[in-house]
Amino acid sequence: ETGVTQSPTHLIKTRGQQVTLRCSSQSGHNTVSWYQQALGQGPQFIFQYYREEENGRGNFPPRFSGLQFPNYSSELNVNALELDDSALYLCASSSPGQAGELFFGEGSRLTVL
Amino acid sequence: GENVEQHPSTLSVQEGDSAVIKCTYSDSASNYFPWYKQELGKRPQLIIDIRSNVGEKKDQRIAVTLNKTAKHFSLHITETQPEDSAVYFCAASQWNNNDMRFGAGTRLTVKP
Repeated sequence: ETGVTQSPTHLIKTRGQQVTLRCSSQSGHNTVSWYQQALGQGPQFIFQYYREEENGRGNFPPRFSGLQFPNYSSELNVNALELDDSALYLCASSSPGQAGELFFGEGSRLTVL
Repeated sequence: GENVEQHPSTLSVQEGDSAVIKCTYSDSASNYFPWYKQELGKRPQLIIDIRSNVGEKKDQRIAVTLNKTAKHFSLHITETQPEDSAVYFCAASQWNNNDMRFGAGTRLTVKP
């Protein structure tokens, strides 16, 4: 069984640039959630995708957007990067049949200079 | 929306002692309460969870209690070991997890 994989693992951008982060869900999981984890903080919910549609969104501005593909993999796009966007971005997959557990990837660490 | 508060932010215990971490939540509709362990540079991993239809759940040295009336839940680790050292996060959501809210985390250090 393949776990959740994310790419890239690390990246550096400058203010105003755009970034795309990618996530492959665990085999059999059709739901992907994205979280932002600032240093020393808990993960903050960005949004969730279920069957290629957004299925809930946290308190993040519209410049945070996403996609889910037919194979359930997902992308997180952030436009007009700000310094405060520097964080670890975690993707988590889940399946309605597994009673709630989120399976996290190792994350993509974004640094905005 | 849901708001989860977690205490303490840091906790240091001697090996073999017990550790207790407490969380409160605000949304009475929340019915799923997981606990995640995150080691340095690693992904968060589920260690135990509880649903609102039970008040306590135990798995070897780890237990979680839930008080729905007071809207708080706690993680109890007994006979702590150095490998228990990590950051622990509580979380709360409704059954479909489409807005799982995490606490700020507790850094647990178990001293040999």
